[in-house]
Amino acid sequence: NAGVTQTPKFQVLKTGQSMTLQCAQDMNHNSMYWYRQDPGMGLRLIYYSASEGTTDKGEVPNGYNVSRLNKREFSLRLESAAPSQTSVYFCASSLDRGSGGYTFGSGTRLTVV
Amino acid sequence: DQQVKQNSPSLSVQEGRISILNCDYTNSMFDYFLWYKKYPAEGPTFLISISSIKDKNEDGRFTVFLNKSAKHLSLHIVPSQPGDSAVYFCAASLRFGNEKLTFGTGTRLTIIP
Repeated sequence: NAGVTQTPKFQVLKTGQSMTLQCAQDMNHNSMYWYRQDPGMGLRLIYYSASEGTTDKGEVPNGYNVSRLNKREFSLRLESAAPSQTSVYFCASSLDRGSGGYTFGSGTRLTVV
Repeated sequence: DQQVKQNSPSLSVQEGRISILNCDYTNSMFDYFLWYKKYPAEGPTFLISISSIKDKNEDGRFTVFLNKSAKHLSLHIVPSQPGDSAVYFCAASLRFGNEKLTFGTGTRLTIIP
C-alpha cells in the first residue's frame, strides 16, 4: 500500500541508549517531517526536510538528529535517550499544502526507562 | 507559546446531531488551515482544509468555517456518526512558508449512540 512506513512500532530503551527511528514514503513527496505527540501538547515538530539533502530544526529538536538519506527515507536518531523523550513519534510527508496536507505514518511508541 | 489552540480537550455529542469543534490561532501570518482526524494507534489523517481567502469550505458532512478577524476556525460535522469518534487536530501553515504545519492540542470527540 502506498503511504508512509515507520519502524519500529514499539520500542523500550534504557536511559542513555541510542536508537534510530526509520521512515520511508513511496509517494514521491519532496518534504518529510518528524513530530512527537505528548498528552496535552498536541503534535510538535522535531525536524523537517524540505527536499533531499536538506534538514532543518523544528520546535523541539534538542536530543535528536536526522538524516534525509534519499528522497524516500528520513530517519530520526536519539543519541542518548532520556525519559523526557518518552512519546509517540510520527513521520509525515507532503507534496504541497494544496494537496491535502501531510500523509502520516502509523507512529512509533517509544518508552525510555 | 501555543500558536494554535483547541480549548476543549473533549466533546460528547449524540448520534445524528451536529458536532462543532473549535480552534483559535494567534499568528496572523497563518494563511492555510487544516483539520486532521486521529484514531487510536493510527497516524492522523487529513480531513478538510481552508485557505484564508475563503470563509467556508464544505466536503460532505464536514464543513470548516474561518473567521479571520477573530482568528478562529471551526469544524462542523452533520450528522454525527459513531465512526466520527476520534481525536481531531487543527493545524495551520504560514504564508510564503514551506509546508510546515503547527498543530493544536486536539479535541477528543465521542459520539453517543
